[in-house]
Amino acid sequence: RKEVEQDPGPFNVPEGATVAFNCTYSNSASQSFFWYRQDCRKEPKLLMSVYSSGNEDGRFTAQLNRASQYISLLIRDSKLSDSATYLCVVTSELTGTASKLTFGTGTRLQVTL
Amino acid sequence: GAGVSQSPSNKVTEKGKDVELRCDPISGHTALYWYRQSLGQGLEFLIYFQGNSAPDKSGLPSDRFSAERTGGSVSTLTIQRTQQEDSAVYLCASSLGQVKNIQYFGAGTRLSVL
Repeated sequence: RKEVEQDPGPFNVPEGATVAFNCTYSNSASQSFFWYRQDCRKEPKLLMSVYSSGNEDGRFTAQLNRASQYISLLIRDSKLSDSATYLCVVTSELTGTASKLTFGTGTRLQVTL
Repeated sequence: GAGVSQSPSNKVTEKGKDVELRCDPISGHTALYWYRQSLGQGLEFLIYFQGNSAPDKSGLPSDRFSAERTGGSVSTLTIQRTQQEDSAVYLCASSLGQVKNIQYFGAGTRLSVL
């Protein structure tokens, strides 16, 4: 079983739609959680952190359920520019000063006119 | 300031040759990480440095892979006797060196082994 699992998609949605991505992780010792965005042939870029209390940034809402080891990302009013691969990322501590990022394989989103 | 810089951006090599990939982290970032992304695969952690030392090398896929970091800044990932399965994008990231610090990625080196 992979440490971080995501539905690879693709999710094809029309502009303005609401779309939700889910992710599960297996390591209960994971400490921090993020969603990264990766455009085609580009490096991953941090989209947002994920907290148990929920985290909202404009049209994006992320949620963490530690008991179920489940992370979600909701995108409202999707734009063409939202088309990308969304990577679910969890961290585990390597040492007291560094953490290892474990990535899911990503969920591809294609927003269409 | 400048982000994480990696060079070369693309590298084509023949099977059996050695290659060196370079990463220049964000100034002041003490932690440096190497990841690999193969076609259709997720990112795979390879190695990290805290300062010049690499406490955890367990992610390196074989003994043909090695990495060093000198002066607490630039890091080099070396792959000896490259194989076709080494073809991938090699990504470097850096952070401020605390567990919860965000890691920032370079644009990567796309390695193709013919």
